[in-house]
Amino acid sequence: NAGVTQTPKFQVLKTGQSMTLQCAQDMNHNSMYWYRQDPGMGLRLIYYSASEGTTDKGEVPNGYNVSRLNKREFSLRLESAAPSQTSVYFCASSDLDFYSGNTIYFGEGSWLTVV
Amino acid sequence: AQSVAQPEDQVNVAEGNPLTVKCTYSVSGNPYLFWYVQYPNRGLQFLLKYITGDNLVKGSYGFEAEFNKSQTSFHLKKPSALVSDSALYFCAVRDVSRSGSASKIIFGSGTRLSIRP
Repeated sequence: NAGVTQTPKFQVLKTGQSMTLQCAQDMNHNSMYWYRQDPGMGLRLIYYSASEGTTDKGEVPNGYNVSRLNKREFSLRLESAAPSQTSVYFCASSDLDFYSGNTIYFGEGSWLTVV
Repeated sequence: AQSVAQPEDQVNVAEGNPLTVKCTYSVSGNPYLFWYVQYPNRGLQFLLKYITGDNLVKGSYGFEAEFNKSQTSFHLKKPSALVSDSALYFCAVRDVSRSGSASKIIFGSGTRLSIRP
């Protein structure tokens, strides 16, 4: 059981380049999330998908787009990378069951540097 | 709006001593509260959560947390620290009374726990 798998693990981009971070989960979870982690800022939610076919903005969506390709996969796209998007990106997933206090499970992270 | 605060950037404890990592929260309704741990260059791992019931919650690796509604706190504790507990710890909150796009889990800024031998 791989859990949440995200690729690539490391990436260096030039300003203005585009790229897509891929994420897949094998836990049959309905909800998926993209967070970014910056020193002293904790984790900030970029976008999330409560269920297949839906996506919503989080705290810091500007400069990003997402696609919920199917129940397993949730990708994050940077259309025109900027140095401010240098960060560690985490994909996560959870059950949709609102009343059970669903636990979020995280991938191992993607280190992105924009030069 | 819901929020969570971890007032200490770093906590230093000697091995064998008790440890506490502080967390306070703000929600309009009842909270779901979580603690996660992050080891270097890894993703976050779930430690424990409070949903309802007993205010003292036990989790992985000997950690526990106490929910205090009057103080809106959910401090993480361990009776005897190990060097291997050294990591970054995150508190998170979810407002149970809200649904849909308003029911996101919000994370604190993290506390770095350092256990010296």
